[in-house]
Amino acid sequence: EVQLVESGGGLVKPGGSLRLSCAASGFTFSNAWLTWVRQAPGKGLEWVGRIKSKPDGGTTDYATPVKGRFTISRDDSKNMCSLQMNSLRTEDTAMYYCTIGALIDGWGQGTLVTVSS
Amino acid sequence: QLVLTQSPSASASLGASVKLTCTLSSGHSNYAIAWHQHQPEKGPRFLMKLNSDGSHSKGDGIPDRFSGSSSGAERYLTISTLQSEDEADFYCQTWGTGIVVFGGGTKLTVL
Repeated sequence: EVQLVESGGGLVKPGGSLRLSCAASGFTFSNAWLTWVRQAPGKGLEWVGRIKSKPDGGTTDYATPVKGRFTISRDDSKNMCSLQMNSLRTEDTAMYYCTIGALIDGWGQGTLVTVSS
Repeated sequence: QLVLTQSPSASASLGASVKLTCTLSSGHSNYAIAWHQHQPEKGPRFLMKLNSDGSHSKGDGIPDRFSGSSSGAERYLTISTLQSEDEADFYCQTWGTGIVVFGGGTKLTVL
């Protein structure tokens, strides 16, 4: 069974940093592209960023609102993916989901990030 | 520019069928998409991948009541024999070079 478990969310002040983690199991992690998606309160789903598998180059892409502030990394030896979020803004407040695939076919349950003073 | 367009809302009666639409932007009519369901207070759930020729592959445990079809730039999700638990937000999603795109979502109300 595919499982994605996010952790690391919490309350942080504007300008602060937070690191989210995603622990994966039930599929061949090293071959998977991983995508972070968020949903702000009352809004729709929004793409945050993506990391390709190492066989496909291991490169990352980011949505414009987070480019230069957020960084995605992966550790295939631990089946883990991380989202490092710096210079956080109030508008980054959202539930953050770890997902699998370019066409997403698996979701975690999410971790809540609240940016507030 | 790769864009997915969905109607903000839809409604249908318990036991009836409903067809939700996701429209790909001009020049992208051959793109495959994925449909996702987001029920209140739950994480999103992958429903199916849907190709331009209408072929689709569903996620584990997705009932036969959920089906997909395509016509040109439009991608459809049909839910038959609606149940109360089908009330949710439905999103289509696709990807391109350096980008992942979501539609704005359709809020389905089961009357």
